[in-house]
Amino acid sequence: QVQLMESGGGVVQPGKSLRLSCAASGITFSTYGMHWVRQAPGKGLEWVAVIGPDGSQKHYSASVRGRFTISRDNFMTTLYLQMNSLRAEDTAVYYCATSPPYKQWLDYWGQGILFTVSS
Amino acid sequence: DIQVTQSPSSLSASVGDRVTITCQASQDISNSLNWYQQKPGKAPKLLIYDASNLETGVPSRFSGSGSGTSFTFTISSLQPEDIATYYCQQYDDLPSLTFGGGTTLEIK
Repeated sequence: QVQLMESGGGVVQPGKSLRLSCAASGITFSTYGMHWVRQAPGKGLEWVAVIGPDGSQKHYSASVRGRFTISRDNFMTTLYLQMNSLRAEDTAVYYCATSPPYKQWLDYWGQGILFTVSS
Repeated sequence: DIQVTQSPSSLSASVGDRVTITCQASQDISNSLNWYQQKPGKAPKLLIYDASNLETGVPSRFSGSGSGTSFTFTISSLQPEDIATYYCQQYDDLPSLTFGGGTTLEIK
């Protein structure tokens, strides 16, 4: 059974940093692309970032590029999102999700973790 | 950047009704479109991939069609458990993914 478990949420002040984690089990983690998708309160889904199976390829949405860094540890089967220079508009539920090898859909999702940027 | 415009933004229908949601892409994306269902307080769930392929385990009352710039998602006979928000997502503009604005489906 596939499980993705996000952690690291909470409340953080504007301009500060936070790291989210997503622990995966039940999949051959090192073969999957991994994504972060966020959802601001009462809003729709917004794709944030993707990292390739071996971690060598990373891409970001324009709204987070230069502030967020996606990474992964295939030995620990864990995905990370380092978020710096946080803004109020980064407040959202953050989901990690998998894309199968060579495919472009998101087939497994975590339950999501909320963090709030507020002074 | 490719934009996807989803309509309607909300929809009210009766149990047993046929329900249709559309997504319009700003340029030709071939069949590079997926559909997700999100129930309140839950993570999204993949229903349809590559425009018309039903994900394993998804009931056959769900279907997708279209190519190019115009896509349709259909529930052939609405069930009470189908109450959710539905999103399309394009992937022609890799590596970026783009979601439509969502359609919130309610029971009349």
